[in-house]
Amino acid sequence: EAGVTQSPTHLIKTRGQQATLRCSPISGHTSVYWYQQALGLGLQFLLWYDEGEERNRGNFPPRFSGRQFPNYSSELNVNALELEDSALYLCASSLGLDTGGYQPQHFGDGTRLSIL
Amino acid sequence: AQTVTQSQPEMSVQEAETVTLSCTYDTSESDYYLFWYKQPPSRQMILVIRQEAYKQQNATENRFSVNFQKAAKSFSLKISDSQLGDAAMYFCAYGGNQFYFGTGTSLTVIP
Repeated sequence: EAGVTQSPTHLIKTRGQQATLRCSPISGHTSVYWYQQALGLGLQFLLWYDEGEERNRGNFPPRFSGRQFPNYSSELNVNALELEDSALYLCASSLGLDTGGYQPQHFGDGTRLSIL
Repeated sequence: AQTVTQSQPEMSVQEAETVTLSCTYDTSESDYYLFWYKQPPSRQMILVIRQEAYKQQNATENRFSVNFQKAAKSFSLKISDSQLGDAAMYFCAYGGNQFYFGTGTSLTVIP
């Protein structure tokens, strides 16, 4: 069974540009989560999608946005990039809300976003 | 707001010994889950163990077990018979209306 896949592995941008990160969940998973893992700060929750809808978002500015497609894959978009956006962005997937409770999340390898 | 605190940035344990990693959390929710994840140097996060808040019985997965103290909002992870492959960053995580991770504990296993 394929795990959570993220692309690209690395992404280099300059300040002010826009970045798009992609995530494909494990087959059968309908929930997708995005996290930012900056150096020394642990994981910060960004977004949670389930069945195509945004369920919740963390304490990040609106320039962090995303969407979930009908096939449950997801995109994270970061506009007007700033230097402090440099981080590892992790995507996770899980069984959906309809399965009851909070299901364990399975993580991808992440996208390393570097802002120059 | 919910928070997760791991007060031990680094821990070390002798191979075959037992180590306990600490985690406390704060929440006003009644329905939530707690998790321990492991992130080896290869960086993919792996679920170690899960605890439902409504269950009084502590979760156990082979050599990994938790001590869940709901009233104290404490959720520690015990690793028995430590192995070299247990060396990793361990994150305590809270799953409720949102998801919160602690800052991690780096575990070194000494041969």
